[in-house]
Amino acid sequence: SAVISQKPSRDICQRGTSLTIQCQVDSQVTMMFWYRQQPGQSLTLIATANQGSEATYESGFVIDKFPISRPNLTFSTLTVSNMSPEDSSIYLCSASRGEITDTQYFGPGTRLTVL
Amino acid sequence: DQQVKQNSPSLSVQEGRISILNCDYTNSMFDYFLWYKKYPAEGPTFLISISSIKDKNEDGRFTVFLNKSAKHLSLHIVPSQPGDSAVYFCAASVLLGGGNEKLTFGTGTRLTIIP
Repeated sequence: SAVISQKPSRDICQRGTSLTIQCQVDSQVTMMFWYRQQPGQSLTLIATANQGSEATYESGFVIDKFPISRPNLTFSTLTVSNMSPEDSSIYLCSASRGEITDTQYFGPGTRLTVL
Repeated sequence: DQQVKQNSPSLSVQEGRISILNCDYTNSMFDYFLWYKKYPAEGPTFLISISSIKDKNEDGRFTVFLNKSAKHLSLHIVPSQPGDSAVYFCAASVLLGGGNEKLTFGTGTRLTIIP
């Protein structure tokens, strides 16, 4: 298994500002992902964080709004830019070793409230 | 378009009885299915999975059944225990070359075990 931590665990931010969420894995992993869970909804994949290259974004998500970094095999950041109240969500990082049928392990999530 | 559906947002079961959580999917390309459990303020925790080449997978008190023709899977928990009270997410993926699991999640079912 992999132990994943996220910082911050929660934050309250003002409209128009940006927040960077950090994700740290306790061992090297191949794949890292960022999800969003809006109130009352399922987890939605934002992007796959690729080590050493640009992230791969899902439909409806763009790099300018959600820039992602992954400088090494154990760390990634997600920035929520120019926030609006609609960005209030739980943001979750996950990781897997990338082998067929390998499980994705999730961090505890970052609860973001935008006023 | 919700490709993975959990039509019951909540379920209450007496302790010791069987809990049955259901999940339907629409994308026939999905070939790997997972159940995650989520406690409040924590990230989802992997519970059990099943490949499309099987119709049943069992792990202790947890059994997942897959009916490919009906595009339906279910999670059985028996006997149910108070610690099983959580939100359960069904997830599905198309296993691409290299093990890049892009998970599509259902909206979750909140299971409450009544002592």
